[in-house]
Amino acid sequence: QQQVKQSPQSLIVQKGGISIINCAYENTAFDYFPWYQQFPGKGPALLIAIRPDVSEKKEGRFTISFNKSAKQFSLHIMDSQPGDSATYFCAASPNYGGATNKLIFGTGTLLAVQP
Amino acid sequence: GAVVSQHPSWVICKSGTSVKIECRSLDFQATTMFWYRQFPKQSLMLMATSNEGSKATYEQGVEKDKFLINHASLTLSTLTVTSAHPEDSSFYICSAGRSNTFGSGTRLTVV
Repeated sequence: QQQVKQSPQSLIVQKGGISIINCAYENTAFDYFPWYQQFPGKGPALLIAIRPDVSEKKEGRFTISFNKSAKQFSLHIMDSQPGDSATYFCAASPNYGGATNKLIFGTGTLLAVQP
Repeated sequence: GAVVSQHPSWVICKSGTSVKIECRSLDFQATTMFWYRQFPKQSLMLMATSNEGSKATYEQGVEKDKFLINHASLTLSTLTVTSAHPEDSSFYICSAGRSNTFGSGTRLTVV
């Protein structure tokens, strides 16, 4: 119940295309769903996050779509650029904005955007 | 914005020795910090929750006597890998703050 399943494991997209990464969870206690971007040798950086009372959130080229009934959420990267090439992790937490917000991470997606 | 500093960024140590990794919140106070471990091409796995002024909470399967955590102030948590062995070689990352800001990580190599 603590797992967050992520797919695909790797993704190749042409420059200007849309990158889509999907995640699914089982624990209904999760109420905070962030996406992180990680470059080799660096710590993960928060991209965008959503709470379950919202079905979609957009920030620039990044959009999260959230389906509470299906317990699924996805990241869409519009107009993908070579600089977006990185590993992306979805995550879930049972406490949004609280003092204790440990994260359960998905398995990661290695994105390569070809020029 | 919130900044979390981690030191050192990389360390090589001999098998059997201990290594200390520091995690500092630079512009905010953190009563709670989190320590994660990431093996190559794998995801981040939570090791423990560091609580200021009290004992850390370890995740199942993490040896508390091997991975010593001290959170003596509101801006500093340390992780000490005791009697390190090659299988402890990994990328260790801390996070803190309401937005879960991550440090830049520490690459530990035990030879």
